[in-house]
Amino acid sequence: ETGVTQSPTHLIKTRGQQVTLRCSSQSGHNTVSWYQQALGQGPQFIFQYYREEENGRGNFPPRFSGLQFPNYSSELNVNALELDDSALYLCASSPNPGDPYEQYFGPGTRLTVT
Amino acid sequence: TQLLEQSPQFLSIQEGENLTVYCNSSSVFSSLQWYRQEPGEGPVLLVTVVTGGEVKKLKRLTFQFGDARKDSSLHITAAQPGDTGLYLCAGAGGTYKYIFGTGTRLKVLA
Repeated sequence: ETGVTQSPTHLIKTRGQQVTLRCSSQSGHNTVSWYQQALGQGPQFIFQYYREEENGRGNFPPRFSGLQFPNYSSELNVNALELDDSALYLCASSPNPGDPYEQYFGPGTRLTVT
Repeated sequence: TQLLEQSPQFLSIQEGENLTVYCNSSSVFSSLQWYRQEPGEGPVLLVTVVTGGEVKKLKRLTFQFGDARKDSSLHITAAQPGDTGLYLCAGAGGTYKYIFGTGTRLKVLA
Protein backbone atom coordinates (compact mmCIF):
# COMPACT_ATOMS: atom_id res chain seq x y z
CA GLU A 1 0.00 0.00 0.00
CA THR A 2 1.49 3.33 -1.09
CA GLY A 3 1.34 6.17 1.41
CA VAL A 4 0.72 9.85 0.78
CA THR A 5 3.41 11.49 -1.31
CA GLN A 6 4.07 15.18 -1.92
CA SER A 7 6.22 17.13 -4.35
CA PRO A 8 8.43 19.00 -4.36
CA THR A 9 10.15 18.50 -1.01
CA HIS A 10 11.49 22.03 -0.82
CA LEU A 11 10.75 25.17 -2.80
CA ILE A 12 12.02 28.74 -2.76
CA LYS A 13 9.91 31.46 -4.34
CA THR A 14 9.94 35.24 -4.49
CA ARG A 15 7.18 37.43 -3.08
CA GLY A 16 4.45 37.99 -5.66
CA GLN A 17 5.09 34.74 -7.52
CA GLN A 18 2.71 31.79 -7.82
CA VAL A 19 3.33 28.21 -6.66
CA THR A 20 1.74 24.80 -7.23
CA LEU A 21 2.21 21.96 -4.76
CA ARG A 22 1.21 18.38 -5.53
CA CYS A 23 -0.09 15.46 -3.51
CA SER A 24 -0.86 11.82 -4.27
CA SER A 25 -3.39 10.20 -1.95
CA GLN A 26 -3.03 6.90 -0.21
CA SER A 27 -4.56 4.09 -2.23
CA GLY A 28 -8.33 3.83 -1.72
CA HIS A 29 -8.68 7.30 -0.18
CA ASN A 30 -11.11 9.72 -1.86
CA THR A 31 -10.64 12.74 0.40
CA VAL A 32 -7.69 15.12 0.52
CA SER A 33 -7.06 17.97 2.93
CA TRP A 34 -4.36 20.61 2.85
CA TYR A 35 -2.73 22.26 5.86
CA GLN A 36 -0.26 25.06 6.48
CA GLN A 37 2.13 24.58 9.38
CA ALA A 38 4.22 27.53 10.48
CA LEU A 39 7.36 26.87 12.47
CA GLY A 40 6.60 25.80 16.04
CA GLN A 41 2.82 25.65 15.53
CA GLY A 42 0.18 23.05 14.83
CA PRO A 43 -1.15 22.63 11.28
CA GLN A 44 -3.87 25.05 10.13
CA PHE A 45 -6.64 23.66 7.91
CA ILE A 46 -6.70 25.26 4.44
CA PHE A 47 -9.36 23.21 2.63
CA GLN A 48 -10.60 19.73 1.87
CA TYR A 49 -11.54 18.10 -1.44
CA TYR A 50 -13.90 15.18 -1.80
CA ARG A 51 -14.65 13.66 -5.20
CA GLU A 52 -13.14 16.67 -6.99
CA GLU A 53 -15.24 19.26 -5.13
CA GLU A 54 -14.16 21.60 -2.33
CA ASN A 55 -15.74 20.24 0.84
CA GLY A 56 -14.85 22.76 3.53
CA ARG A 57 -12.43 25.65 3.85
CA GLY A 58 -10.42 27.20 6.63
CA ASN A 59 -9.66 30.87 7.25
CA PHE A 60 -7.46 31.38 4.20
CA PRO A 61 -7.86 34.00 1.44
CA PRO A 62 -9.02 33.11 -2.10
CA ARG A 63 -5.45 33.26 -3.42
CA PHE A 64 -5.16 29.77 -1.89
CA SER A 65 -6.95 27.44 -4.29
CA GLY A 66 -6.96 23.75 -5.03
CA LEU A 67 -7.89 20.97 -7.36
CA GLN A 68 -8.59 17.28 -6.98
CA PHE A 69 -8.30 14.96 -9.96
CA PRO A 70 -10.28 11.81 -10.84
CA ASN A 71 -7.48 9.65 -9.44
CA TYR A 72 -7.86 11.62 -6.16
CA SER A 73 -4.49 13.29 -6.43
CA SER A 74 -4.54 16.98 -5.61
CA GLU A 75 -2.88 20.35 -6.12
CA LEU A 76 -2.59 23.40 -3.91
CA ASN A 77 -2.06 26.68 -5.72
CA VAL A 78 -1.03 29.89 -4.02
CA ASN A 79 -1.03 33.16 -5.96
CA ALA A 80 0.66 36.45 -5.11
CA LEU A 81 2.95 34.87 -2.55
CA GLU A 82 3.63 36.78 0.65
CA LEU A 83 6.49 36.36 3.10
CA ASP A 84 4.07 34.94 5.70
CA ASP A 85 3.25 32.09 3.32
CA SER A 86 6.59 30.55 4.22
CA ALA A 87 5.66 27.31 5.97
CA LEU A 88 5.44 23.54 5.71
CA TYR A 89 2.47 22.58 3.54
CA LEU A 90 0.96 19.23 4.44
CA CYS A 91 -1.42 17.08 2.47
CA ALA A 92 -3.52 14.42 4.19
CA SER A 93 -5.76 11.77 2.70
CA SER A 94 -8.73 10.01 4.28
CA PRO A 95 -10.94 7.10 3.26
CA ASN A 96 -14.00 9.34 3.68
CA PRO A 97 -14.76 13.02 4.30
CA GLY A 98 -16.72 12.53 7.50
CA ASP A 99 -16.05 12.27 11.19
CA PRO A 100 -13.95 10.65 12.64
CA TYR A 101 -11.30 12.34 10.55
CA GLU A 102 -8.59 9.73 10.44
CA GLN A 103 -6.07 11.34 8.19
CA TYR A 104 -2.79 10.11 6.83
CA PHE A 105 -0.24 12.78 6.14
CA GLY A 106 2.47 13.14 3.56
CA PRO A 107 5.94 14.41 4.48
CA GLY A 108 5.11 17.96 3.43
CA THR A 109 6.56 20.61 1.13
CA ARG A 110 8.72 23.25 2.76
CA LEU A 111 8.00 26.59 1.02
CA THR A 112 10.25 29.57 1.59
CA VAL A 113 9.16 32.96 0.24
CA THR A 114 11.87 35.60 -0.01
CA THR B 1 -14.42 29.48 16.94
CA GLN B 2 -13.36 26.18 18.42
CA LEU B 3 -9.88 26.04 19.92
CA LEU B 4 -7.81 23.16 21.23
CA GLU B 5 -5.25 24.17 23.82
CA GLN B 6 -2.52 21.77 24.81
CA SER B 7 -0.40 21.75 27.92
CA PRO B 8 2.38 21.75 28.65
CA GLN B 9 3.81 23.44 25.57
CA PHE B 10 7.27 21.97 26.17
CA LEU B 11 8.39 19.00 28.22
CA SER B 12 11.89 17.66 28.77
CA ILE B 13 12.17 14.51 30.88
CA GLN B 14 14.56 11.68 31.63
CA GLU B 15 14.16 8.24 30.14
CA GLY B 16 11.92 6.09 32.33
CA GLU B 17 9.77 8.91 33.67
CA ASN B 18 6.01 9.14 33.19
CA LEU B 19 4.22 12.13 31.69
CA THR B 20 0.77 13.40 30.80
CA VAL B 21 -0.18 15.79 28.02
CA TYR B 22 -3.52 17.58 28.09
CA CYS B 23 -5.78 18.79 25.30
CA ASN B 24 -8.61 21.11 26.36
CA SER B 25 -11.46 22.94 24.71
CA SER B 26 -14.62 24.78 25.70
CA SER B 27 -16.42 23.06 22.82
CA VAL B 28 -17.69 19.54 22.37
CA PHE B 29 -16.00 17.34 19.79
CA SER B 30 -17.56 14.26 18.24
CA SER B 31 -14.11 12.69 18.05
CA LEU B 32 -10.52 13.60 18.76
CA GLN B 33 -7.36 12.32 17.18
CA TRP B 34 -3.82 12.28 18.55
CA TYR B 35 -0.82 12.55 16.26
CA ARG B 36 2.95 12.55 16.70
CA GLN B 37 5.15 14.55 14.37
CA GLU B 38 8.90 14.30 14.01
CA PRO B 39 11.08 17.00 12.44
CA GLY B 40 10.81 17.12 8.65
CA GLU B 41 7.87 14.73 8.54
CA GLY B 42 4.10 14.89 8.52
CA PRO B 43 2.01 14.01 11.59
CA VAL B 44 1.39 10.31 12.16
CA LEU B 45 -2.00 9.23 13.49
CA LEU B 46 -1.75 7.48 16.87
CA VAL B 47 -5.36 7.03 17.92
CA THR B 48 -8.96 8.22 17.55
CA VAL B 49 -11.27 8.54 20.56
CA VAL B 50 -14.99 8.82 19.97
CA THR B 51 -17.00 8.01 23.10
CA GLY B 52 -17.01 10.21 26.22
CA GLY B 53 -14.93 8.55 28.93
CA GLU B 54 -13.25 6.25 26.44
CA VAL B 55 -9.76 4.97 27.26
CA LYS B 56 -7.47 3.50 24.61
CA LYS B 57 -4.04 2.00 25.08
CA LEU B 58 -1.25 1.78 22.54
CA LYS B 59 1.69 -0.02 24.20
CA ARG B 60 3.01 2.51 26.75
CA LEU B 61 0.61 5.26 25.62
CA THR B 62 -2.83 5.70 27.22
CA PHE B 63 -5.36 8.04 25.69
CA GLN B 64 -8.51 9.23 27.43
CA PHE B 65 -11.48 11.21 26.12
CA GLY B 66 -13.25 13.35 28.70
CA ASP B 67 -16.78 12.42 29.74
CA ALA B 68 -18.13 15.64 28.19
CA ARG B 69 -15.99 15.17 25.05
CA LYS B 70 -14.35 18.56 25.54
CA ASP B 71 -10.93 17.36 26.60
CA SER B 72 -8.48 14.53 26.21
CA SER B 73 -5.23 13.37 27.74
CA LEU B 74 -2.25 11.34 26.65
CA HIS B 75 -0.23 9.51 29.29
CA ILE B 76 3.12 7.94 28.50
CA THR B 77 4.57 5.40 30.90
CA ALA B 78 8.33 4.88 31.15
CA ALA B 79 9.17 7.32 28.37
CA GLN B 80 11.91 6.41 25.92
CA PRO B 81 14.06 8.61 23.65
CA GLY B 82 12.04 7.28 20.70
CA ASP B 83 8.97 9.03 22.13
CA THR B 84 10.57 12.40 21.40
CA GLY B 85 8.47 14.52 19.05
CA LEU B 86 5.62 16.98 18.70
CA TYR B 87 2.32 15.62 20.02
CA LEU B 88 -0.81 17.09 18.51
CA CYS B 89 -4.46 16.61 19.31
CA ALA B 90 -7.02 17.40 16.62
CA GLY B 91 -10.72 17.24 15.96
CA ALA B 92 -13.56 18.26 13.72
CA GLY B 93 -14.13 22.00 14.12
CA GLY B 94 -17.31 24.03 13.88
CA THR B 95 -16.55 26.96 11.60
CA TYR B 96 -13.50 25.33 10.05
CA LYS B 97 -13.65 21.71 9.21
CA TYR B 98 -10.72 20.42 11.23
CA ILE B 99 -8.51 21.98 13.86
CA PHE B 100 -5.27 21.02 15.51
CA GLY B 101 -4.15 21.79 19.00
CA THR B 102 -1.26 24.07 19.82
CA GLY B 103 1.07 21.09 20.26
CA THR B 104 3.30 19.68 23.00
CA ARG B 105 6.96 19.30 22.21
CA LEU B 106 8.40 16.35 24.14
CA LYS B 107 12.07 15.57 24.55
CA VAL B 108 13.11 12.39 26.33
CA LEU B 109 16.74 12.36 27.42
CA ALA B 110 18.70 9.09 27.56
